[in-house]
Amino acid sequence: GAVVSQHPSRVICKSGTSVKIECRSLDFQATTMFWYRQFPKQSLMLMATSNEGSKATYEQGVEKDKFLINHASLTLSTLTVTSAHPEDSSFYICSARARTGPTEAFFGQGTRLTVV
Amino acid sequence: AQRVTQPEKLLSVFKGAPVELKCNYSYSGSPELFWYVQYSRQRLQLLLRHISRESIKGFTADLNKGETSFHLKKPFAQEEDSAMYYCALRFFNFGNEKLTFGTGTRLTIIP
Repeated sequence: GAVVSQHPSRVICKSGTSVKIECRSLDFQATTMFWYRQFPKQSLMLMATSNEGSKATYEQGVEKDKFLINHASLTLSTLTVTSAHPEDSSFYICSARARTGPTEAFFGQGTRLTVV
Repeated sequence: AQRVTQPEKLLSVFKGAPVELKCNYSYSGSPELFWYVQYSRQRLQLLLRHISRESIKGFTADLNKGETSFHLKKPFAQEEDSAMYYCALRFFNFGNEKLTFGTGTRLTIIP
């Protein structure tokens, strides 16, 4: 089946630094990738949708200058949390939808970000 | 606004009993709905999608446009069904694709 790999799975960073999270589709080409944030015991909140080769579309209330999304190839999208603060600590999840075939999205394993 | 509602946060069912996880949606266009499942310490994975009208692991879900519902059902619960279940809606907003999730239902099967 389709595999989405997210890296790193855990990261701890200091306040004010930036952190990059990678999302790769390993065995398919993904024109569309979704980035989510999940708070403890809550659902996935869609942050943005990225399409290969174009700018990401951010949800209302998500700062695009803070959460930089790049989708430069059909197999890789990155989320960079810039100038991280403790309130950015969360579980970030990416998912990818294949260019052709079924329209379901395949999920990465998530990244636990802790800002200290 | 487009929204997915799962009214039950927690649901406990005895093994062998029927299961129904509720999902309602609000969307003015043609919806594309999915059920995703997350087992303990695993990533989210697709359980089924309404387009396929399939049965996976004994689960089925029928799209009812009149009631704007996509409830997940299984006639006889099994212990391995214990997991977190999310209903999801795929739609387009001004040409932008989105995939939004309900708040999820934690299903616990009692042996």
